[in-house]
Amino acid sequence: NAGVMQNPRHLVRRRGQEARLRCSPMKGHSHVYWYRQLPEEGLKFMVYLQKENIIDESGMPKERFSAEFPKEGPSILRIQQVVRGDSAAYFCASSPGQGSRSPLHFGNGTRLTVT
Amino acid sequence: SQQGEEDPQALSIQEGENATMNCSYKTSINNLQWYRQNSGRGLVHLILIRSNEREKHSGRLRVTLDTSKKSSSLLITASRAADTASYFCATDAGQGAQKLVFGQGTRLTINP
Repeated sequence: NAGVMQNPRHLVRRRGQEARLRCSPMKGHSHVYWYRQLPEEGLKFMVYLQKENIIDESGMPKERFSAEFPKEGPSILRIQQVVRGDSAAYFCASSPGQGSRSPLHFGNGTRLTVT
Repeated sequence: SQQGEEDPQALSIQEGENATMNCSYKTSINNLQWYRQNSGRGLVHLILIRSNEREKHSGRLRVTLDTSKKSSSLLITASRAADTASYFCATDAGQGAQKLVFGQGTRLTINP
C-alpha cells in the first residue's frame, strides 16, 4: 500500500511566481489536511478538505493561498505570487475518517524555497 | 495560539535511559495523539489516547493522560539511537473540532 505521496519534494520559486503542491492521499482516504512547518517549529494547520469540499480553511491566509481536492486526482495547494515568507515545508496528511478522531498519515512534505 | 505545548523543548539522554516528554493543552479534548518526526520526513503516528482513558501502552511507549490537569506524558523506555527524533502531541481542540492542532514538539537526542 502506497502511503501519502507528495510532489515535488523540493520546489524553488522566485518571488512573484506560483507554487503548486500536490498530494495523493492513501487509497481509501477521503479526508486531506495541509499543514505548514517552519524550521525547528511545530505544524500549523492550514486547511481540511474532503472530496470536492473545503471543510475548514481557518488556517489559510486570506490572500494568495487556495486548496482543492477534486473528485478525481490529487489535492492541490496553490500559492500565488510567492514571497520569501512562504518558504517552509508543507505537509499533507490523509485519514479515512475525520482526522481529529483517527490517526493522520503524513507524506514526506514539499520543501518550498522562495528566492 | 497553540493548543498543545510540549516540555521540554529539547532533551538529550544516553542510550538505554528512559525519556519522558510532557504535553499541556488548554481546552477540553476528545482525544490526544502523539507523533514522531525524523529529520526531513513526515510525521508518524505513535499513539492515540481518548479522553476517557488514563494510560496506554505500545511496545516501549507509554502515554498517560490527566484531563483534570489538561496534560499528557510520553515515556520511551530503554531508549535507542533510532529514537532520536522530534515528538509532537496533537489534540482535537475541543468539542466539534475537526482538525488536529500540534504543539511545538520536543527534540529528543539519544547519545550512543
